[in-house]
Amino acid sequence: QKEVEQDPGPLSVPEGAIVSLNCTYSNSAFQYFMWYRQYSRKGPELLMYTYSSGNKEDGRFTAQVDKSSKYISLFIRDSQPSDSATYLCAMSDSGGSNYKLTFGKGTLLTVNP
Amino acid sequence: KAGVTQTPRYLIKTRGQQVTLSCSPISGHRSVSWYQQTPGQGLQFLFEYFSETQRNKGNFPGRFSGRQFSNSRSEMNVSTLELGDSALYLCASGQGAPTDTQYFGPGTRLTVL
Repeated sequence: QKEVEQDPGPLSVPEGAIVSLNCTYSNSAFQYFMWYRQYSRKGPELLMYTYSSGNKEDGRFTAQVDKSSKYISLFIRDSQPSDSATYLCAMSDSGGSNYKLTFGKGTLLTVNP
Repeated sequence: KAGVTQTPRYLIKTRGQQVTLSCSPISGHRSVSWYQQTPGQGLQFLFEYFSETQRNKGNFPGRFSGRQFSNSRSEMNVSTLELGDSALYLCASGQGAPTDTQYFGPGTRLTVL
């Protein structure tokens, strides 16, 4: 079993839809949770960063962490064609650092105009 | 402020050869991490350097090595290339504290024939 599982999709939605992206994990030591967005032929860029359980909102993006279920989510409201990219969840444990991240395989999202 | 730069962007090698990839971090960043991205395994952590010292290491064979120079620039070397080493190699830089955000470069696409 991989430490982080992420549905690879692909996921195709119409413009304006609410998108839900999810990851599950098995390592209880993970304390820091991130979502990265990767456009084609580019490196990943950090979208959201949360520590431990809870919600965090930034504009159209909301990240949720449920440590009891070992489940994290990213919600995108009013999705735009420019949101079309691969979304990667990433995690690190409290003893390590954010420089040693464990990633999900990524979900390919397409938002159709 | 310039972002993380990686050279070369594309590389083609044959089995058995060795290759050196270069990463220049964002000015002022002292930490550089390297990741391998493949369709099958996703993003996997290789190693991280901070102030010229390897601080974290992933689960890759000894054929993968790296170093960091006093100006924080980093190189990654892969010896005795195998077909399975074909991947996008990404580096990321950060200021160095464990919870700092890291910023990714565009990657070097290595193809092994």
